[in-house]
Amino acid sequence: QVQLVESGGGVVQPGRSLRLSCAASGFIFTNHVIHWVRQAPGKGLEWVAVIWYDGSKEYYTDSVKGRFTISKDNSKNTLYLQMDSLRAEDTGIYYCARTPSYFEWFFDYWGQGTLVTVSS
Amino acid sequence: VLTQSPATLSLSPGETATLSCRASQSVDIYLAWYQQKPGQAPRLLIYDASNRATGIPARFSGSGSGTDFTLTISSLEPEDFAVYYCQQRKNWPPLTFGGGTKVEIK
Repeated sequence: QVQLVESGGGVVQPGRSLRLSCAASGFIFTNHVIHWVRQAPGKGLEWVAVIWYDGSKEYYTDSVKGRFTISKDNSKNTLYLQMDSLRAEDTGIYYCARTPSYFEWFFDYWGQGTLVTVSS
Repeated sequence: VLTQSPATLSLSPGETATLSCRASQSVDIYLAWYQQKPGQAPRLLIYDASNRATGIPARFSGSGSGTDFTLTISSLEPEDFAVYYCQQRKNWPPLTFGGGTKVEIK
């Protein structure tokens, strides 16, 4: 069955870094696009970033451009999010979410999320 | 921008819920709906405005195109009380979500 498992969250001070991972299984990793979506405490959903299935393109929401880097390792079926220069407003649950195909960008499977807390 | 209304809907089991999602510019039919319960990840309900996702009960239906969309939940079951989000995939980046509608027990 399709599984997405996030890891790497934790408590970190402002200005520091954290790397999240999303391990995928149960489907052909390169046939789908996987995004990062986050949710601040008590707030709604916010799309964060995506990397093309072959790694050729990356897109980010404006608030993380220049600070976050998305990458993937197709040999390990794993997606990453390197988060640098973290701010308090980056606090929240980070989900990885799969799209059903390269171009149908709605999310048919989600991970359980990993909590990132940016606090001094 | 996607604007959902109302922010909160107070209903009793068995009643019908009508949730609205309005886009600031046309998204054609490229709108999805998700359900999220406390402590859980979102779950896909509807994609491309009116298509139910796999395993979603028939009491959930979606309609609309362009800028105005509706999610209807007929005869609310106890497990339907949750927060619902819409999401567009027409105009990106960024992909955007609405602010959510909470369906609560009256």
